[in-house]
Amino acid sequence: SQTIHQWPATLVQPVGSPLSLECTVEGTSNPNLYWYRQAAGRGLQLLFYSVGIGQISSEVPQNLSASRPQDRQFILSSKKLLLSDSGFYLCAWRPKDRGLLNTEAFFGQGTRLTVV
Amino acid sequence: GQQVMQIPQYQHVQEGEDFTTYCNSSTTLSNIQWYKQRPGGHPVFLIQLVKSGEVKKQKRLTFQFGEAKKNSSLHITATQTTDVGTYFCAGFSGGYQKVTFGTGTKLQVIP
Repeated sequence: SQTIHQWPATLVQPVGSPLSLECTVEGTSNPNLYWYRQAAGRGLQLLFYSVGIGQISSEVPQNLSASRPQDRQFILSSKKLLLSDSGFYLCAWRPKDRGLLNTEAFFGQGTRLTVV
Repeated sequence: GQQVMQIPQYQHVQEGEDFTTYCNSSTTLSNIQWYKQRPGGHPVFLIQLVKSGEVKKQKRLTFQFGEAKKNSSLHITATQTTDVGTYFCAGFSGGYQKVTFGTGTKLQVIP
């Protein structure tokens, strides 16, 4: 069966420090991978998505970046965190779509980031 | 780009009352999915609607896809405390690889 791992679960970082969040998927190959951010009590903002190794689509201009060095690994990074980067970061994966049906998204447990 | 709005943003209901959330897209959707996120948790897939005018039921939950495939609704009959959470719709674009979630409706059920 497929599983998605996301770590760490919580993180407190000072302003200006770097960030690296990692997400890995097991039990599948060539998944679509996604990073979302959820501010407290708010919706899911799509940050990045990837359809393959080294292929990253950015949705929101910001000081964050994403990389996909391996098929089932997705990394979210920042060189210098801002206070506004605080939030709940969720990694998700989807199998490639089959025909006209879109596949469902499976989410990791999330990382609660607080920038102080 | 595609925008998916949901109303209301928040809803408080007495246990046993009905609840409805509405999802509206700025573009025509191929399919629409619904997810539920429990407090402190991550979104979990509920259902997918594909056809224009489609209606699907899951126990007390009824999902509907609009005729023009630009809107959808989720109706819960006789809410229970277990229904508490945020409900999101999700639409597809960008060659159907990009998944855009709606703004979400947070449901509180008062016992």
